[in-house]
Amino acid sequence: KNQVEQSPQSLIILEGKNCTLQCNYTVSPFSNLRWYKQDTGRGPVSLTIMTFSENTKSNGRYTATLDADTKQSSLHITASQLSDSASYICVVSKAAGNKLTFGGGTRVLVKP
Amino acid sequence: DVKVTQSSRYLVKRTGEKVFLECVQDMDHENMFWYRQDPGLGLRLIYFSYDVKMKEKGDIPEGYSVSREKKERFSLILESASTNQTSMYLCASSPPGRVIYEQYFGPGTRLTVT
Repeated sequence: KNQVEQSPQSLIILEGKNCTLQCNYTVSPFSNLRWYKQDTGRGPVSLTIMTFSENTKSNGRYTATLDADTKQSSLHITASQLSDSASYICVVSKAAGNKLTFGGGTRVLVKP
Repeated sequence: DVKVTQSSRYLVKRTGEKVFLECVQDMDHENMFWYRQDPGLGLRLIYFSYDVKMKEKGDIPEGYSVSREKKERFSLILESASTNQTSMYLCASSPPGRVIYEQYFGPGTRLTVT
């Protein structure tokens, strides 16, 4: 069964600290993996997208990694800010069929 | 800049009412999607459309129907709203292709059925 599992479910960090979110997937055949940021009460906004051949991609203070062999991805947030408080969703796309599989998300709370 | 808009941010309806949720995108995308998002369950696909008048069922189509008469507009219809359809509804669009590389979401409609 195609699944995307994210961990932790939630975390609290102090402003200025770093954190790493994990995403493990079983989707096959794999096409690409995206990380979205979703502010409370808003739609998700894309942070990064990686295909099979890419193993790291950055967007400002967000850095995503992908290990297609172990089917794992991580999202690293550097020097967190209060505005980073949001849910982060990992989404994996199959290589055919317009099929997306969404993770349950990690809720991040940045405290001053 | 892609823009996906949804007709309402918040909606309160009574059980049994017919409910229309509208979504409009301005990037001439062929693909449009309707999801619902519930705590602990993530986003689940209700229906998607890959062209005008074309639609395909997603993972949870029961109790919903859709309409796509124009390329830019995709409507989700709850024929007879029930309390278990209380949820956040998200519309999305993406460029054409059998593989989805990028998907743009609207702001969401929080629907409460009482």
